[in-house]
Amino acid sequence: GAGVSQSPSNKVTEKGKDVELRCDPISGHTALYWYRQRLGQGLEFLIYFQGNSAPDKSGLPSDRFSAERTGESVSTLTIQRTQQEDSAVYLCASRRTDSEQFFGPGTRLTVL
Amino acid sequence: AQSVTQLDSQVPVFEEAPVELRCNYSSSVSVYLFWYVQYPNQGLQLLLKYLSGSTLVKGINGFEAEFNKSQTSFHLRKPSVHISDTAEYFCAASGNTGKLIFGQGTTLQVKP
Repeated sequence: GAGVSQSPSNKVTEKGKDVELRCDPISGHTALYWYRQRLGQGLEFLIYFQGNSAPDKSGLPSDRFSAERTGESVSTLTIQRTQQEDSAVYLCASRRTDSEQFFGPGTRLTVL
Repeated sequence: AQSVTQLDSQVPVFEEAPVELRCNYSSSVSVYLFWYVQYPNQGLQLLLKYLSGSTLVKGINGFEAEFNKSQTSFHLRKPSVHISDTAEYFCAASGNTGKLIFGQGTTLQVKP
């Protein structure tokens, strides 16, 4: 595809359940980023993948959050034992070296 | 550590009036600066970016921003706004990794 895609677009889950969010970056983009946007707030950096290097996990808010990326392709963000404060729009972005980031449409997560 | 501050959470303005959205950053290392726009129910779109060179950067939709190193600012301006400019605007900074640190956002509300 031409842009970054994310799935699902919307996810409603019950507190305590695990969720998995998917990001398909633009082909050829070596870097991939996850951000979170809670209602009425700015975007928070979560995690960053660059090629085969160890990911920068410095933005993950707790050990319930984890992410994986296989090579330079798909990434999944997993949230275990979801809490209501996890409700947010989760955004993925990718970029080539020395280019700007291109953002996906996001996944809106609602934890009841 | 980098931080980005958007000084105004909301900016109401009449159509065809000029507008300035303020952004200050703090960083002890090289910094790249961005403005993103988020229209209602849409994803993030890059308005403009400063990487190096001329401190006056022109973007899409008639917006421009000026990088001021001595004041650590990157204010966004438009000489005449339109109703369709109503949106949330985010200032962001990054270093060499591309990891974006966002401000809290400014809601621009253009009134007829």
